[in-house]
Amino acid sequence: EDQVTQSPEALRLQEGESSSLNCSYTVSGLRGLFWYRQDPGKGPEFLFTLYSAGEEKEKERLKATLTKKESFLHITAPKPEDSATYLCAVQGSSYKLIFGSGTRLLVRP
Amino acid sequence: DTAVSQTPKYLVTQMGNDKSIKCEQNLGHDTMYWYKQDSKKFLKIMFSYNNKELIINETVPNRFSPKSPDKAHLNLHINSLELGDSAVYFCASSPSTSVGYNEQFFGPGTRLTVL
Repeated sequence: EDQVTQSPEALRLQEGESSSLNCSYTVSGLRGLFWYRQDPGKGPEFLFTLYSAGEEKEKERLKATLTKKESFLHITAPKPEDSATYLCAVQGSSYKLIFGSGTRLLVRP
Repeated sequence: DTAVSQTPKYLVTQMGNDKSIKCEQNLGHDTMYWYKQDSKKFLKIMFSYNNKELIINETVPNRFSPKSPDKAHLNLHINSLELGDSAVYFCASSPSTSVGYNEQFFGPGTRLTVL
């Protein structure tokens, strides 16, 4: 069964303190690994798609990487506006998007 | 312009009632989805339609029935509402199910509270 586990559950950082979020997955026939950002009371906002091990994508202070077992979302010099819940999801041969429970990130000024 | 919109934003109703949630996307996407996010924040797929055809139907009670009048709309009708149906329901759309075109874009959600 396709499964996604995210860690840590919650992360508190000082502004400028870089860190990484982890997404471990098992999936049959990976079609894509997706990262989303969700602010309170809003729908998930698409960030990245990674398709194969070794692939990396960047957007502003965020960089996503992918191996055969996990993905990392690296946050460099975060700002308070980066505070949100970050969701990881995988899509396998079933076409369904399987989400993890997310990492709640709080960046303090 | 909102890419994926849902109405209503909030829905409070009594057990046993029937209610509908509407979803519209103006992105020209072929595929639409309904998700349920429970109190623990897990997002779970319920249904998916591709060009008005049902392609994903998860283990969801028969009380839930999706309807797609055209590829820009996917509505969710719920009969005989139960307390456990309380959750936030998200609509989403993607260009297609093909790799490279399968990024999903979500609506703002509908918070359903069953009393």
